[in-house]
Amino acid sequence: NAGVTQTPKFQVLKTGQSMTLQCAQDMNHEYMSWYRQDPGMGLRLIHYSVGAGITDQGEVPNGYNVSRSTTEDFPLRLLSAAPSQTSVYFCASSYQRESIGELFFGEGSRLTVL
Amino acid sequence: KQEVTQIPAALSVPEGENLVLNCSFTDSAIYNLQWFRQDPGKGLTSLLLIQSSQREQTSGRLNASLDKSSGRSTLYIAASQPGDSATYLCASKGMDSSYKLIFGSGTRLLVRP
Repeated sequence: NAGVTQTPKFQVLKTGQSMTLQCAQDMNHEYMSWYRQDPGMGLRLIHYSVGAGITDQGEVPNGYNVSRSTTEDFPLRLLSAAPSQTSVYFCASSYQRESIGELFFGEGSRLTVL
Repeated sequence: KQEVTQIPAALSVPEGENLVLNCSFTDSAIYNLQWFRQDPGKGLTSLLLIQSSQREQTSGRLNASLDKSSGRSTLYIAASQPGDSATYLCASKGMDSSYKLIFGSGTRLLVRP
């Protein structure tokens, strides 16, 4: 079972460049989310979605965009990368729509912005 | 605003020891609480999910308890093994209508052979 798949695993960007982190899940989960993990800051929610066509902001949404055109995919777009966005990004999904149940994580995407 | 704290930040124990990891939360109105394991360079793996109405959950050598009145959850690991070495994180989901988990910063566990 593939579970939650993130690509790329590693990426280096220059300040001002844009890019998209991809996330796909094959578990038919309605809930999908993006977190960033920084030393000393723990995991912080960026954006989430409770189904195709529905997205909402988390704790730290500035500088990031998301869309949810299908149940399977939930890409995260960095519009103009900044050094402060250097982090490890995790995509996670859950089988419950009414609330969050057991959360399944991808392996992470390590992003460095120079 | 919910705050989740995990103390200590790091723990080192000899193999075979039973141990307890702590998770404290400031708002007792939680919907559920999850414990995760994270290996270096990897994503998080959900270990146990405790619903608000439950007091504990068990999976193999792991037992998680929930005491909302004291704002505490504990993860008990029996007969620890070197393969248990990892960072353990807890996360709470509030009773509000949001879809947000609040994570603790984790406890880094080292089980020495």
